[in-house]
Formats: sequence, C-alpha cells, structure tokens
Amino acid sequence: GENVEQHPSTLSVQEGDSAVIKCTYSDSASNYFPWYKQELGKGPQLIIDIRSNVGEKKDQRIAVTLNKTAKHFSLHITETQPEDSAVYFCAATPWGGGSYIPTFGRGTSLIVHP
Amino acid sequence: DTGVSQNPRHKITKRGQNVTFRCDPISEHNRLYWYRQTLGQGPEFLTYFQNEAQLEKSRLLSDRFSAERPKGSFSTLEIQRTEQGDSAMYLCASNPPASGGAGDTQYFGPGTRLTVL
Repeated sequence: GENVEQHPSTLSVQEGDSAVIKCTYSDSASNYFPWYKQELGKGPQLIIDIRSNVGEKKDQRIAVTLNKTAKHFSLHITETQPEDSAVYFCAATPWGGGSYIPTFGRGTSLIVHP
Repeated sequence: DTGVSQNPRHKITKRGQNVTFRCDPISEHNRLYWYRQTLGQGPEFLTYFQNEAQLEKSRLLSDRFSAERPKGSFSTLEIQRTEQGDSAMYLCASNPPASGGAGDTQYFGPGTRLTVL
C-alpha cells in the first residue's frame, strides 16, 4: 500500500516568513495530492491540491510543487500570518476503481509567531 | 450551510457501551468515507460507500464496527462494546461523482470526538 512521510512534524516561523512542508510517497500509481489544514477541534479543510499532470500550482500565498520522478511534493506558504497556525496534512491518492482513498502524512504543526 | 455535517460533535461513553455516529454528506455526493484520527496522526481510512454500497473496508475496521448508508444519503457508524482504544476523532468525508474531473476531491466534516472512559 501507499506510504506517505511528512516533514517536519513541527515548524515555527515568524510572521512574514515563508514555511515549507515536504512529503514523500511510495506508490507510483498515486496521481492526486491534496493538502489539508486542520484547526483545533475541526475537520481537515482542503487548501490546495495538485494532480500528476502538472508540476506546480499556486493560489495566492500558497503553492504546491510535485516531482513525480522523485515521488515528493511540497507545500509553500509565503508571507505567513498568525491565522496560518494549524496542523497541515499532505495526502497521496492512487488512481483506480473510483474509490480515491488517500493516504495521509502524520501532519505538520505550523506555529506563526506575531 | 451545505457542507458535510456530523453528529454528535462529542460523545463520552463508558467502556462496553455501544455508540452510533451520523454523517450527512454534501448533497449529490455519491461517495462517502469514514476515517479515524488519533492525536498526532493523520486521518486513517476505515470504510467507503458509493451510494448505498459499502465497497471497501480497512483492516482497522474490527467486527465491533459497522457502518451503513441505507438510502445512499446519510451514513451511520456504530461501535459496539467500546474499548478505551476506540477513543479518537471519527471523521466523515464525501466526494462528488467521479465524472467531471473533480471526483478525487474530498470534503471533510467537523468530526465526532469519542472518549471512552
């Protein structure tokens, strides 16, 4: 089955700095890679995703890059703000069967200090 | 609000009791998933429905767990004879139909936090 490794487990930055979270996956059949933000006591919220036919995607201060050859993908947050503080999860989803069952990383706790 | 909803949000029970959780997916989402999340971990897949059919179950889903989606709309997850190890956040998610290119996008509910004493 798929195995997703996520690093770092904790990331502390100053407001305005950039934050980068990295994930690797093992199953070459994975072709959809969402990123979720989870705030305390809430369910994960999709913030950005990327499919295997593109290498980079950007949405305002958030960007995701994908290297299929190396089987890794990264989340980049620029100009961080205190409200970006949360736990971020990456996931890898293999194609096939229509079930789209993602395997999640263990999460990165991002702390943005004002 | 047309997002995924879950009830109850919190449940405290004594070991050995049965509990049932409900999930209402986004309207017209034909695929529904249950996950379990423990502290410091990402969501772990439990089971998946397409319409009313339960198509996949994880090895994590012991025989004390049962899930239903009788009319292809809301779903229930029941845990019988709860154990302290069942304490976790139980998350529900739904996907739109596979056609249209966005079928792989999952939308999560707020979760039900279960505490077994």
